[in-house]
Amino acid sequence: EAGVAQSPRYKIIEKRQSVAFWCNPISGHATLYWYQQILGQGPKLLIQFQNNGVVDDSQLPKDRFSAERLKGVDSTLKIQPAKLEDSAVYLCASSPSTGTSYEQYFGPGTRLTVT
Amino acid sequence: AQRVTQPEKLLSVFKGAPVELKCNYSYSGSPELFWYVQYSRQRLQLLLRHISRESIKGFTADLNKGETSFHLKKPFAQEEDSAMYYCALSGRSNTGKLIFGQGTTLQVKP
Repeated sequence: EAGVAQSPRYKIIEKRQSVAFWCNPISGHATLYWYQQILGQGPKLLIQFQNNGVVDDSQLPKDRFSAERLKGVDSTLKIQPAKLEDSAVYLCASSPSTGTSYEQYFGPGTRLTVT
Repeated sequence: AQRVTQPEKLLSVFKGAPVELKCNYSYSGSPELFWYVQYSRQRLQLLLRHISRESIKGFTADLNKGETSFHLKKPFAQEEDSAMYYCALSGRSNTGKLIFGQGTTLQVKP
């Protein structure tokens, strides 16, 4: 079974620019997560989707971050405008459904550097 | 506040030595606890969860509610165990949201 796919793998931008990340979850997985992992820290959940609806976006900085999963499959995370502190690895994960009994499968991540 | 603490950034042991990666948590309620592992150049993946009570790759972890700890243990470390280990918790809700600790790098020397 193909794993979670993410692109691009690396991105370097200047502050105040915008950037978008793409995630393709495992086929059939209803739940999709976006995590932010700053260097030296563990992943932090930004937003969680169940199909195309948002389950939790309490830690998403909504003044600059947005995410969508329009058809309940692929998802895009956007930052506009980027700040230096947004430099991090952005991880996408998916699971068959929502709940702790379902294992989360992680993608390779997108490493963002904001200069 | 919900929080996971891994007090050691780096744990270095020799092959064959016992390993204990510490994890303490703060949560008002009964959380589910997990250990995730990331080997070099690989993706983050689930190692084990407390609710399944199983041993994976020789690792075990016992949930101690009194001490709010979920330490990961292995009696004899192998070089292939070298990786980054993250402890995580999830509240007993339907969201599956994970709260991760800062991670501990395990280095097993030959």
